[in-house]
This record gives sequence, structure tokens and C-alpha cells, in this order.
Amino acid sequence: DVKVTQSSRYLVKRTGEKVFLECVQDMDHENMFWYRQDPGLGLRLIYFSYDVKMKEKGDIPEGYSVSREKKERFSLILESASTNQTSMYLCASTGANVLTFGAGSRLTVL
Amino acid sequence: AQSVTQPDIHITVSEGASLELRCNYSYGATPYLFWYVQSPGQGLQLLLKYFSGDTLVQGIKGFEAEFKRSQSSFNLRKPSVHWSDAAEYFCAVDVIYNQGGKLIFGQGTELSVKP
Repeated sequence: DVKVTQSSRYLVKRTGEKVFLECVQDMDHENMFWYRQDPGLGLRLIYFSYDVKMKEKGDIPEGYSVSREKKERFSLILESASTNQTSMYLCASTGANVLTFGAGSRLTVL
Repeated sequence: AQSVTQPDIHITVSEGASLELRCNYSYGATPYLFWYVQSPGQGLQLLLKYFSGDTLVQGIKGFEAEFKRSQSSFNLRKPSVHWSDAAEYFCAVDVIYNQGGKLIFGQGTELSVKP
């Protein structure tokens, strides 16, 4: 089975802190994605990457950046966390047009 | 713009009863269609998908979904619900076929199961 691992399940940060959310997949997938999940809004795409060192903005990229230095790893970065970035963050990768998700990282910004 | 609508935010059914979760999409052509399930505190798990062919698709855990082009719908069904089916369900579409994974999700439907 494809495994997508998000190393931090729960984080609490303060406003203005820099936050790194890490995601690793073990199936050599080209495509990786970061989604944000909020109640009543479903999932919204933040950034995605189709190859190492490549990135493209999704629907809500403001306040976020990403890094993909290795094929298996895709990091989401909040340069200066704000309270409106309190949310569940889901990483995913695709094979054969099907998304496989990690367990999620729940971030609280105080 | 493309969109996905799940009209029911929350549904409660009795254990053993049948279930239908609604999903409508807005898109000119036929997209790839998906249903995912999310248990509390977990990521999303794929239940089933439709790319082409037979419009009735079978998935895991006894779920099925039917694609109806005329209604732009992809409703999820299960004949007999189990307590372990309590979760949140998301419908999603992929309108850019060669960029798999860039999905548009509905708002989700939370399912509660009464004993």
C-alpha cells in the first residue's frame, strides 16, 4: 500500500512563528499536494508539485510556500503563522489519477 | 467555474437502514469522479472512483455510486449501514485529466448512525 506520512499530527504555534509541515511518500509518485481542510469548506488546494524542485500554486497559496528537494518529500511552510491558518493540513500523492492522503496535521496558531 | 455540491451537511440514519449521499458537480464535460471517507482524526480514504464505462461503480466497504450524466450527479449508496460507517464523506471531481490529484472537493456530508 502507498504510504503518505505526515510526521507532525498535532502542532501548537504562536502568531508570527515559522512552521514547517513535512510529508513523505514511499511509492515514487511524481505528484504531491497540500490541501487545507476547514469545516463547511471541504478541502482546498494550497500548492502542488509535479516533480522535484517544481511547484505550482493551488487555489489558496497566500501565506504559504513549499519545498520539494527530493521526490519523496514535500514540505509546506508558513513563513509567519497567523491565527487564520489554524486548520487541518492534508498531504497527498497520486498514482494512476488517484489521490492517497496522509493522516493530516492539525495546526493551532495562538 | 467548476464546483461540487453536497447538499446535505449532516445525515443521521439507523443502523441497518439504507443510505444515499448526494453529489452534484458543475462542469461541461464528464470529469473523473471520486468518493472519499474520513474517520475522525484521520486522513481521507478512497471509497470508489469513476473514470469511464459502466455508470454504476462498486467500491470498498459495500458502497456503490451511480454516475448520471443528465443530472450531473454521482450519488453514493449503501443498502445497509453499519455503525462503523459513521464518518464524513467527500465527493470530488478531477477536471484536468493529465494532472491527476488536482481535485475539487465538495463541502462534505457528516454521517451519524443510530443504534
